[in-house]
Amino acid sequence: NAGVTQTPKFRILKIGQSMTLQCAQDMNHNYMYWYRQDPGMGLKLIYYSVGAGITDKGEVPNGYNVSRSTTEDFPLRLELAAPSQTSVYFCASRELWDRVSPLHFGNGTRLTVT
Amino acid sequence: QQQVKQSPQSLIVQKGGIPIINCAYENTAFDYFPWYQQFPGKGPALLIAIRPDVSEKKEGRFTISFNKSAKQFSLHIMDSQPGDSATYFCAASQFTSSGTYKYIFGTGTRLKVLA
Repeated sequence: NAGVTQTPKFRILKIGQSMTLQCAQDMNHNYMYWYRQDPGMGLKLIYYSVGAGITDKGEVPNGYNVSRSTTEDFPLRLELAAPSQTSVYFCASRELWDRVSPLHFGNGTRLTVT
Repeated sequence: QQQVKQSPQSLIVQKGGIPIINCAYENTAFDYFPWYQQFPGKGPALLIAIRPDVSEKKEGRFTISFNKSAKQFSLHIMDSQPGDSATYFCAASQFTSSGTYKYIFGTGTRLKVLA
């Protein structure tokens, strides 16, 4: 089982550039999430989706956009990259809507904006 | 606003020791409290979780203690091993207006177990 696959693993962007972080899951999960992880700050929710065509903002959505055209894919778009977006980004999915369904994380994308 | 406070930030113990990681929360609407374990270069993975109507849960060498009145919960690792060296995150579950649950994570504790 591939689980949650994130690409690329690493990326360096210049200030003002744009890019899309890819996330795909093969577990047929409806619920998908994007988190960023900064040292000493834990995991902050950027956006989430409860199914194809439905997305909602998390705690730190500014500077990001998402789309969910299929159950499998949940790309995260960065427009006009800023140094504050230097972080490790994790995509996650879960099977059920209830609180006990665990999050399945990808291995992350390490992004540096210079 | 940090809704789940985790401490300590880092922890070093000898093999066989019992590291304890603490978390505190304020929102009484939180209704599920998982712990995630993360190894370098990997995403977090669920380790153990507890509901607020239970005071303790054990899975192997890992135990969660939960104090509802104090709004605190902690992770204990019995007979710790070098392979337990990882970053540990506590979390609390919150219902959203979209009809799903999302987690609020603590800031993480980097644990190193010395051989």
